[in-house]
Amino acid sequence: RKEVEQDPGPFNVPEGATVAFNCTYSNSASQSFFWYRQDCRKEPKLLMSVYSSGNEDGRFTAQLNRASQYISLLIRDSKLSDSATYLCVVNNLRDMRFGAGTRLTVKP
Amino acid sequence: DTEVTQTPKHLVMGMTNKKSLKCEQHMGHRAMYWYKQKAKKPPELMFVYSYEKLSINESVPSRFSPECPNSSLLNLHLHALQPEDSALYLCASSQETGSYGYTFGSGTRLTVV
Repeated sequence: RKEVEQDPGPFNVPEGATVAFNCTYSNSASQSFFWYRQDCRKEPKLLMSVYSSGNEDGRFTAQLNRASQYISLLIRDSKLSDSATYLCVVNNLRDMRFGAGTRLTVKP
Repeated sequence: DTEVTQTPKHLVMGMTNKKSLKCEQHMGHRAMYWYKQKAKKPPELMFVYSYEKLSINESVPSRFSPECPNSSLLNLHLHALQPEDSALYLCASSQETGSYGYTFGSGTRLTVV
């Protein structure tokens, strides 16, 4: 079983749609959690950290459920520029483990 | 300076060549990492340096040799690579190992011919 599992996607949505990504992790000792965004042929860039209390940054909301070992990312009012691969990342104190990524394409 | 700088951006090398990838950060981060990423796959950890000492080697073949000359620099020496080693090599840094998010460099796209 992979340490971090994500929805395989791809997600193809129209502009303005709301889209949700889900992720589960297997290591209960994991300490910190992130969503990264990666554009084609570019490096991953930190989108947001994820906290148990939930956190919001504009159109993006991230949530962590430690009991279920589940992480989510919600994108509201999606824009063309949101098209990218979204990587769920878990830090288990030893290193960061990446999910396989979910490809999002937002269409006009 | 909040960047991780990697050079070169692109590299083509033959299987008998020796080359080096370089990574530099001036954020005072004490942990630095090398990742390998194949197309349509997530990054895979290769090496972790913490306070300039190698702390994790993910069973990487010896044809890849990391080096950390000081707290700002990380090198990856390449020798006798195979075509299947062609990939995007990403350097990252963080304040320390542990709970911190990573900052990635833009990567070196390596092609082995």
